[in-house]
Amino acid sequence: GENVEQHPSTLSVQEGDSAVIKCTYSDSASNYFPWYKQELGKGPQLIIDIRSNVGEKKDQRIAVTLNKTAKHFSLHITETQPEDSAVYFCAASFSGGGADGLTFGKGTHLIIQP
Amino acid sequence: EPEVTQTPSHQVTQMGQEVILRCVPISNHLYFYWYRQILGQKVEFLVSFYNNEISEKSEIFDDQFSVERPDGSNFTLKIRSTKLEDSAMYFCASSEAGAGVYSPLHFGNGTRLTVT
Repeated sequence: GENVEQHPSTLSVQEGDSAVIKCTYSDSASNYFPWYKQELGKGPQLIIDIRSNVGEKKDQRIAVTLNKTAKHFSLHITETQPEDSAVYFCAASFSGGGADGLTFGKGTHLIIQP
Repeated sequence: EPEVTQTPSHQVTQMGQEVILRCVPISNHLYFYWYRQILGQKVEFLVSFYNNEISEKSEIFDDQFSVERPDGSNFTLKIRSTKLEDSAMYFCASSEAGAGVYSPLHFGNGTRLTVT
């Protein structure tokens, strides 16, 4: 089955700086890669996703890049703000996260220092 | 914006007891899921459900677990005889479509299950 590795486990950045979180996956058949943000006491919230037919996707301060050959994908957050502090999970699946379910990474605790 | 809702938010039960966790998926969604997250660890897939039957299940989802869609709105996870290691946050999720179709999962806020 799919295995997703995520690094780093904790990331502390100064407010206004950029943050990068990296994930690798093992199953070359995976074609859907979402990123979720989890705040304390809440469920994971989808913040951005990318499918395997594109290499990069951007939504305001958040971007995701995908390298299918190397089987890794990254989340980039620019101009970080205090409200970006949370745990971020990457995930991978085949067929768009449908019946097969998502395989998650272990999460990155992002801390934005004022 | 439509949400996945879960009840209760926190359930405490004694080892060996049965528990039922409840979820109301987003109304036009067709695929339903349960995931769990042991404290401080990653979110793990348990089961997916479509058209009133299980589509996929993980190794975690053994005979102690069952799922049901008892009516047109609820989706439940039952644990027949709880063990200490079942203590975790359980998340319900739903998606509009499933295999072969791009359809993001939407998660509820979870039920924290504590087995004593």
